[in-house]
Amino acid sequence: DTAVSQTPKYLVTQMGNDKSIKCEQNLGHDTMYWYKQDSKKFLKIMFSYNNKELIINETVPNRFSPKSPDKAHLNLHINSLELGDSAVYFCASSQVFSSSPDTQYFGPGTRLTVL
Amino acid sequence: GNSVTQMEGPVTLSEEAFLTINCTYTATGYPSLFWYVQYPGEGLQLLLKATKADDKGSNKGFEATYRKETTSFHLEKGSVQVSDSAVYFCALSDDDYKLSFGAGTTVTVRA
Repeated sequence: DTAVSQTPKYLVTQMGNDKSIKCEQNLGHDTMYWYKQDSKKFLKIMFSYNNKELIINETVPNRFSPKSPDKAHLNLHINSLELGDSAVYFCASSQVFSSSPDTQYFGPGTRLTVL
Repeated sequence: GNSVTQMEGPVTLSEEAFLTINCTYTATGYPSLFWYVQYPGEGLQLLLKATKADDKGSNKGFEATYRKETTSFHLEKGSVQVSDSAVYFCALSDDDYKLSFGAGTTVTVRA
């Protein structure tokens, strides 16, 4: 069983397009995250949701809009894609109210290429 | 703010060699410390963690000890295998449960 899944795995698109990446977790966790990994492998938090509410919003352009329809899903919508958005995007989840609140489980990543 | 500094790679070793990856951190509170591993083409997996000073995390032959006095969490393995080739990330988590990552260290183990 896949704990944290993302779709699609690869996404190639033109500048200016709008695209979405979906994330689902079947761990029963209450908190989900989006991270961006650049070409040098550097990872940075973008957003975090706890029980469908936004709790972390780093300095990310407002072209990026996360949406959490329920606790198990956190989707990332990106408007007007730019070349600099090319990266690997990772979804993660954790159970904040547990014995290991800070252990996060990551999805396999979505490699976005903007042409 | 919180930050993590880890030794730059890439690191290339022969099988059965000793591996050390240095990691130091800056944090305002008392963070939890982690090592995550990313195998080629895959997502990140938790390798080990430590939640308080002097704790030792261990998994798959890897170890790291939370040293508050030197603000360090160095990763070690006594005898690496080809299957240990991956990118290793040191990270910390403070009260907000946000992970702050180091830049990652690419390790290649040759047979």
